[in-house]
Amino acid sequence: EAQVTQNPRYLITVTGKKLTVTCSQNMNHEYMSWYRQDPGLGLRQIYYSMNVEVTDKGDVPEGYKVSRKEKRNFPLILESPSPNQTSLYFCASSFAWASTDTQYFGPGTRLTVL
Amino acid sequence: DQQVKQNSPSLSVQEGRISILNCDYTNSMFDYFLWYKKYPAEGPTFLISISSIKDKNEDGRFTVFLNKSAKHLSLHIVPSQPGDSAVYFCAASARDSNYQLIWGAGTKLIIKP
Repeated sequence: EAQVTQNPRYLITVTGKKLTVTCSQNMNHEYMSWYRQDPGLGLRQIYYSMNVEVTDKGDVPEGYKVSRKEKRNFPLILESPSPNQTSLYFCASSFAWASTDTQYFGPGTRLTVL
Repeated sequence: DQQVKQNSPSLSVQEGRISILNCDYTNSMFDYFLWYKKYPAEGPTFLISISSIKDKNEDGRFTVFLNKSAKHLSLHIVPSQPGDSAVYFCAASARDSNYQLIWGAGTKLIIKP
């Protein structure tokens, strides 16, 4: 089954404790991205990757890191989480980077930073 | 300032009737528009899209209308079914911004029996 998986689905942590949210897709997609969804704001892009070892900032990259060492995986790293990073996070992938290509989303990770 | 706005946080429609979800945008350079649908505890899924060279695109019960002069698009669902209850996101992109998607805040559609 074609899918994007994220782990963990739910996470409660404390300020400053490094964490990683994993994302994996099995569709051999080149393009992957991370979004956060906050009430009243829709989805905002954090980082995206057009291919292995190619990553770039989205609209809200501060406080986040990513890596793309393999085509299928695109982990999101919060080196020192803060309460303003409490949000719902989605990973997405598509065959290519054009917006005309349908993005496939993971189920989301709800992160709470205390 | 949000470039894509969905001014109705929620909408309630009787089953069998037409649902109309609206989306306004401010950037005249947007040339591709999409609607995504999201159920609770799931990620968004693609529903329908429209290019700026068209003013209408239809897929089964779903039709998207684009009014470029008004910078407005709408999604029509006819007839509305209980399974259509979800949050609907409007998104837009422009070639000159590397096709980055700009998303609206979403409208929660509730279909009443």
